[in-house]
Amino acid sequence: AQSVTQLGSHVSVSEGALVLLRCNYSSSVPPYLFWYVQYPNQGLQLLLKYTSAATLVKGINGFEAEFKKSETSFHLTKPSAHMSDAAEYFCAVSEFRAAGNKLTFGGGTRVLVKP
Amino acid sequence: DTAVSQTPKYLVTQMGNDKSIKCEQNLGHDTMYWYKQDSKKFLKIMFSYNNKELIINETVPNRFSPKSPDKAHLNLHINSLELGDSAVYFCASSQLDRVGEKLFFGSGTQLSVL
Repeated sequence: AQSVTQLGSHVSVSEGALVLLRCNYSSSVPPYLFWYVQYPNQGLQLLLKYTSAATLVKGINGFEAEFKKSETSFHLTKPSAHMSDAAEYFCAVSEFRAAGNKLTFGGGTRVLVKP
Repeated sequence: DTAVSQTPKYLVTQMGNDKSIKCEQNLGHDTMYWYKQDSKKFLKIMFSYNNKELIINETVPNRFSPKSPDKAHLNLHINSLELGDSAVYFCASSQLDRVGEKLFFGSGTQLSVL
C-alpha cells in the first residue's frame, strides 16, 4: 500500500521568505505524486504533479517540487512567500489498481504567512 | 460555470436522520469521486465511479450509498447518521480513471451531525 507523510502540520513564514513543505512517500511502484492546495472554504486545486518525466516540476503560483527517489521525497518550495499563499497544502500519491485509480493524501500542512 | 458543484454547502442534522449530498460536474469527465475530510483535515477516498460504474469502495459503512444516475452526477446518500459522520465531504472528478490524472474538486459539503 502507498502512503504519504507530511512533516509539520503547520508552517509559519514571513512574507518574502522561502516556503518549504516536506513530503515523503512510500510506494512499491514508481509513484505519481501531487501537491494540492486548499484555500479556506474551498475544494482542493492542483498545484503540480510528478509523472516520471523531469524530476523538478514547476507548478502554478511560483511553486515547484523536486522528486528525489533516493530520499523518497517530493518537497514543495516557493522562493518568496506571498500573503495569498496562506492555505492548507496536501501532498498525494496516486496508485492505480485493478479496481481503479486511487489518490492517497498526506495529513496536510497549514501555511501561515506573516506580514 | 462551476466545474464541480456540490449541494448543499452546509448540512446540519440530527443523529439517526437520512440525508443526501448532490454533486454535478460539467467537465465531461468519466470518473467521479467522493472524499471525506475529517476535523484534522485528513482526506480519504470513499468511492469512485467510472461511467456510472462503481470502481472503488474504500471500506465505507453501508449506510453510505453513492448513486450515479449519469456520468455527470454522483450523489451520496447517508442513512442513520452518526456523530462520527461529521466531516467535510468533497466530490471530485477526473477525465479518466488513470493514474496521474488531475482531480477537480468541488468546494465541499460540511456535514454536522448533532
